[in-house]
Amino acid sequence: AQTVTQSQPEMSVQEAETVTLSCTYDTSESDYYLFWYKQPPSRQMILVIRQEAYKQQNATENRFSVNFQKAAKSFSLKISDSQLGDAAMYFCAYRRNTGNQFYFGTGTSLTVIP
Amino acid sequence: GAGVSQSPSNKVTEKGKDVELRCDPISGHTALYWYRQSLGQGLEFLIYFQGNSAPDKSGLPSDRFSAERTGGSVSTLTIQRTQQEDSAVYLCASSLYSSGELFFGEGSRLTVL
Repeated sequence: AQTVTQSQPEMSVQEAETVTLSCTYDTSESDYYLFWYKQPPSRQMILVIRQEAYKQQNATENRFSVNFQKAAKSFSLKISDSQLGDAAMYFCAYRRNTGNQFYFGTGTSLTVIP
Repeated sequence: GAGVSQSPSNKVTEKGKDVELRCDPISGHTALYWYRQSLGQGLEFLIYFQGNSAPDKSGLPSDRFSAERTGGSVSTLTIQRTQQEDSAVYLCASSLYSSGELFFGEGSRLTVL
């Protein structure tokens, strides 16, 4: 069974600094998708970034980038120049290329300190 | 609307009552998911609809839980004889195709007294 592990229940970062959130996953598949979702206090989950496993290049979206290590089954999220609006719960998610199930980690609560 | 709409936003009910939670997905999205999020926890998969295919009900925790999707659009999650452990936020998400990203609603917070 696929599992997604986020080992950091809580993280904090100074405003304008950089923080990295960890995610590991377990799969026997070779083709899959990985996602980072953000859930602010308003509750609505928003996609931050996605990565296709067949792509070797790490995905980047403005201040957000990932470090995808396929062999290590690691998918960390780096937030650069952290802003107060980045404070939220962040969830890592995995999805096989075929099939419909998304598997979510337990989340990391990020606090941004002014 | 432009996004996934869920109602009610908040629901307080007494133990033993039935509740219905509604999800209106983004127009044209063929895939629809229900998840449950307990306080401080991750997302627990409940059920998945894809087009006219039979739904994947493998995540429903008991036979008190059921869901329908009418006309390939609006979905209703029904919880019968609610229990206190059913208290959670119920999130709905839709997707344009089954391999795409999920677009989430704001959730329905259910509190069972």
